[in-house]
Amino acid sequence: GAVVSQHPSRVICKSGTSVKIECRSLDFQATTMFWYRQFPKQSLMLMATSNEGSKATYEQGVEKDKFLINHASLTLSTLTVTSAHPEDSSFYICSGTPDSGGVWRVNEQFFGPGTRLTVL
Amino acid sequence: AQSVAQPEDQVNVAEGNPLTVKCTYSVSGNPYLFWYVQYPNRGLQFLLKYITGDNLVKGSYGFEAEFNKSQTSFHLKKPSALVSDSALYFCAVRDGPGGFKTIFGAGTRLFVKA
Repeated sequence: GAVVSQHPSRVICKSGTSVKIECRSLDFQATTMFWYRQFPKQSLMLMATSNEGSKATYEQGVEKDKFLINHASLTLSTLTVTSAHPEDSSFYICSGTPDSGGVWRVNEQFFGPGTRLTVL
Repeated sequence: AQSVAQPEDQVNVAEGNPLTVKCTYSVSGNPYLFWYVQYPNRGLQFLLKYITGDNLVKGSYGFEAEFNKSQTSFHLKKPSALVSDSALYFCAVRDGPGGFKTIFGAGTRLFVKA
């Protein structure tokens, strides 16, 4: 399967600071990537759809000015949590779908290992 | 709008017994259905998917799932559970290929007792 990496895997920051999380597709190109957050013992909640070369599409209730998404290339999307607060502490997971490789491959989402954000 | 429901928060099964984790879905078009497994503090691992073709889909680690269009279900099954199968399982649905977003169920925690 295709590989998606996230960096960092774990970050602890002070309240009020900004944190950037990188999501890279290592062996495929992805026009579209997705960002999810997961609270303890809960499901994944889609935050936004990241589109290469254009603005991200945010889900209802997600503050676009707080969660800045930049999809600068076909292999890299970044999520920046601005002015982080303790309630932003969560597990953030990204995913990407290959642009090519056949019908079975392009219909599968490949997930990163997640980033654990703790805001003190 | 698409949605997916996992009616059971938790499923308990003895090792060696068959297991079933339930999932029902709602989409406007043809569904793309997925099962993922998550171990503590880890990302999601893909188990299997249904896009088209045979209703019985076989996936990783001996898991399989049956697509039932009339019941709008996609239950995950395994003939003989292992203790190592204990994890959090998510059913997911997408109503289109590629860039269409995927919606996840609430998750079902599977406990397999030795």
